[in-house]
Amino acid sequence: DAKTTQPPSMDCAEGRAANLPCNHSTISGNEYVYWYRQIHSQGPQYIIHGLKNNETNEMASLIITEDRKSSTLILPHATLRDTAVYYCIVRGPPWVTGNQFYFGTGTSLTVIP
Amino acid sequence: DSGVTQTPKHLITATGQRVTLRCSPRSGDLSVYWYQQSLDQGLQFLIHYYNGEERAKGNILERFSAQQFPDLHSELNLSSLELGDSALYFCASSEGQGRNTQYFGPGTRLTVL
Repeated sequence: DAKTTQPPSMDCAEGRAANLPCNHSTISGNEYVYWYRQIHSQGPQYIIHGLKNNETNEMASLIITEDRKSSTLILPHATLRDTAVYYCIVRGPPWVTGNQFYFGTGTSLTVIP
Repeated sequence: DSGVTQTPKHLITATGQRVTLRCSPRSGDLSVYWYQQSLDQGLQFLIHYYNGEERAKGNILERFSAQQFPDLHSELNLSSLELGDSALYFCASSEGQGRNTQYFGPGTRLTVL
């Protein structure tokens, strides 16, 4: 799997958009970008994933650059409950890298009242 | 609520003992994954089962073993416990084997004294 780089921590004001960057400059054409978050020792929670097109669901939006070397997770209106560690994971085809996820250290997002 | 259940939530035991952690996947999911999260190691993949068969092993110690039963629930057995085995143990499930999204349970917190 391609390596990802995320800032260790970020702050965001409540009600504002939280933009979490992820660099994955060695990503290959068949690798997906996944985002999970973990709220204080709870089980990781799936947020969103994508290959090359931007994606949106009820939780967030995922913007992937045209060259796919970086992406941004956007939480449109951050609330205090969004305070968590956010993991950006690049996942290759299972016949190459297996089916498991490789979690890095993530970004610790703190939403400030 | 991801639909994945894990029992027990907390487990406190002594060194040298053996414990069993249980995981019930989401309805319809055939794959079960086990992950360990300790303070200094982050989330580490242990083992993957698909429809009762072991599919992949990660950083799982020989003292640890797992199985998936015909009803698709899974158990992770940890024996000859050491202080360093104290960690959060998460189970995740997915529909199939490929690049299906994994949904994580709430975890079992194991404390070895």
